[in-house]
Amino acid sequence: SQKIEQNSEALNIQEGKTATLTCNYTNYSPAYLQWYRQDPGRGPVFLLLIRENEKEKRKERLKVTFDTTLKQSLFHITASQPADSATYLCALVGRGSTLGRLYFGRGTQLTVWP
Amino acid sequence: DVKVTQSSRYLVKRTGEKVFLECVQDMDHENMFWYRQDPGLGLRLIYFSYDVKMKEKGDIPEGYSVSREKKERFSLILESASTNQTSMYLCASSLLSDGTQYFGPGTRLLVL
Repeated sequence: SQKIEQNSEALNIQEGKTATLTCNYTNYSPAYLQWYRQDPGRGPVFLLLIRENEKEKRKERLKVTFDTTLKQSLFHITASQPADSATYLCALVGRGSTLGRLYFGRGTQLTVWP
Repeated sequence: DVKVTQSSRYLVKRTGEKVFLECVQDMDHENMFWYRQDPGLGLRLIYFSYDVKMKEKGDIPEGYSVSREKKERFSLILESASTNQTSMYLCASSLLSDGTQYFGPGTRLLVL
C-alpha cells in the first residue's frame, strides 16, 4: 500500500542549530513533492515545491532535497529560531495526476528552544 | 494573495443536525478540497472537486456530501451530524498546474 512517513512526530532543537526533517515514501512515483508549515489551530501554509528532476531547492533559510532513488526528501531549516516552531508536513503529487490531489504525511512537530 | 475563507471558525452542533460548512476562494482555482484533521491522524481527504458540479470521493467520504454550484464556492454537508464528526475541518483550493494548495483557517466543529 502507499505510505508517506515523516521521521518522527516531534523534533526538539536549540536555537541556531539546523533542523532536518525527513519524508520517506513507498509505492508512489511522485512528479513533485511539497512542504507545508502548520501552526496550531491554523491551516497549512505552502513553503516549497521540488520536482522529480531537481535534486535541491533553496528559499532563504530553507533547503529541500529530493532523492527519487532513496524515495526520500529532506527538509532543512538553517539557523533555526523559536519562530520556526510549528508542524511541518510533506505532500506528494502523483505522476499523471490531473486532478491535483496531494497525499500528505502526518507531520513532524518542530520545537526550537532558546 | 490567494484568499480562502471558511464560514465559521468554531461551530457547536447537536447530534442529528444537518451541518453546512462553506468555503470560498478568490483566485479562480479549478480544484477545491475538504479535509478533516484529528490528532495523530493527520490530514484526511473527505471530498474534492475539479470543476463546477463535479466531485470526487476522497479517503473518508462516509457521512458527508458536497456541493459546488459556483467555481469559487465549495460546501461540505454533514447530513446527520454524529459525535465522531467532531474535528477540525479544512478547506483548500489549487490550480491544476502544480497542485500547490492554499488552505482556509479551518472550522473547529464540536458535535454534542
